[in-house]
Amino acid sequence: KNQVEQSPQSLIILEGKNCTLQCNYTVSPFSNLRWYKQDTGRGPVSLTIMTFSENTKSNGRYTATLDADTKQSSLHITASQLSDSASYICVVSDRGSTLGRLYFGRGTQLTVWP
Amino acid sequence: EADIYQTPRYLVIGTGKKITLECSQTMGHDKMYWYQQDPGMELHLIHYSYGVNSTEKGDLSSESTVSRIRTEHFPLTLESARPSHTSQYLCASSESIRKYGYTFGSGTRLTVV
Repeated sequence: KNQVEQSPQSLIILEGKNCTLQCNYTVSPFSNLRWYKQDTGRGPVSLTIMTFSENTKSNGRYTATLDADTKQSSLHITASQLSDSASYICVVSDRGSTLGRLYFGRGTQLTVWP
Repeated sequence: EADIYQTPRYLVIGTGKKITLECSQTMGHDKMYWYQQDPGMELHLIHYSYGVNSTEKGDLSSESTVSRIRTEHFPLTLESARPSHTSQYLCASSESIRKYGYTFGSGTRLTVV
């Protein structure tokens, strides 16, 4: 069973609307959580990173939240644009070793329609 | 501008051919990684390196091999390609996973026919 689960698997919204993507994880001990954006045919690009003590982090129209107690994170996109169409991947790092290890979700495929 | 480059972007080859996927980074990162990604699935680590002359196999069994002769270069080789190798291959590098995460290349989409 994957230790990082994302929902929904896919989402279609109209341009200008807001949306929220979810990430639940079981990775322990937890180090940090990142959200990546992956355009079709490209490599993932980091949007935000949050450590255990951080509850929210913003990057422009992207706002990520983290509840380390319930092991849940969300990525909220405000006033969506056509260029937001991409796969959004949740990645959790553990601190079980000195070098850390990354656990990847399968991503949420977001499509923004005009 | 510091970056990570992968070539080719797309490759279609016949079964049994030997191929090398190139990955280079200009950031001076010691740590480099190869991931395999199928559509709608999570990334799977197939190889990693923590420095020159250091290479390790990842979580996903792979018939590919890697080398790390120079810090900036981390090529992946398939001696005899098969249709089951059809996938997207992503190269990444990092100075510190916990502090900075990964910088990914644009990927190589490999199709073996």
